Amino acid sequence: SQQGEEDPQALSIQEGENATMNCSYKTSINNLQWYRQNSGRGLVHLILIRSNEREKHSGRLRVTLDTSKKSSSLLITASRAADTASYFCATGPQGGSEKLVFGKGTKLTVNP
Amino acid sequence: EADIYQTPRYLVIGTGKKITLECSQTMGHDKMYWYQQDPGMELHLIHYSYGVNSTEKGDLSSESTVSRIRTEHFPLTLESARPSHTSQYLCASSDLQAFSYEQYFGPGTRLTVT
Repeated sequence: SQQGEEDPQALSIQEGENATMNCSYKTSINNLQWYRQNSGRGLVHLILIRSNEREKHSGRLRVTLDTSKKSSSLLITASRAADTASYFCATGPQGGSEKLVFGKGTKLTVNP
Repeated sequence: EADIYQTPRYLVIGTGKKITLECSQTMGHDKMYWYQQDPGMELHLIHYSYGVNSTEKGDLSSESTVSRIRTEHFPLTLESARPSHTSQYLCASSDLQAFSYEQYFGPGTRLTVT
């Protein structure tokens, strides 16, 4: 069953603007990860936030986690055309399972 | 860029053919995974391995098989390709000893079965 669900499904912004993507999940988690996928390529790990963390930063990325609402958000500040990609959240592994469960992703387009 | 490689990158093949998708990593990771991804959709785990001689089926039922004879190599085989197998196949690996849970992905193989 699907765990992560990203919102919106697609987002189009201008260069320099901020982009916010949200992820909701259903069951309790130990951590949540965000990945980026350029068109036709594999995924690249961006950031991991643990269940006892509320916010994490990495360069222009800011991730928040609200375990009471079972949701996370990814903010990309001062976006660039090179940020154009699909962004996925992934939950797990947990409970002895080594598996990650991915959402359907948000397709971000940054227009120059 | 992660040191994980997939070949071929693109494959167009007729129905009934046997194919093997190759995946190799040079990071010495114990854990390896195969995902299937249709365009614009989420990834579905079809196989994974904890190490040499370990293979497990994932969440999505798949007619493919895998083997893990060497740590660095995790090929996926379809004995008889069908149009329903048309998809992108992504290989990934992670370090069993690390607690970062980060998975490193290859560039993918886009398979089209005609």
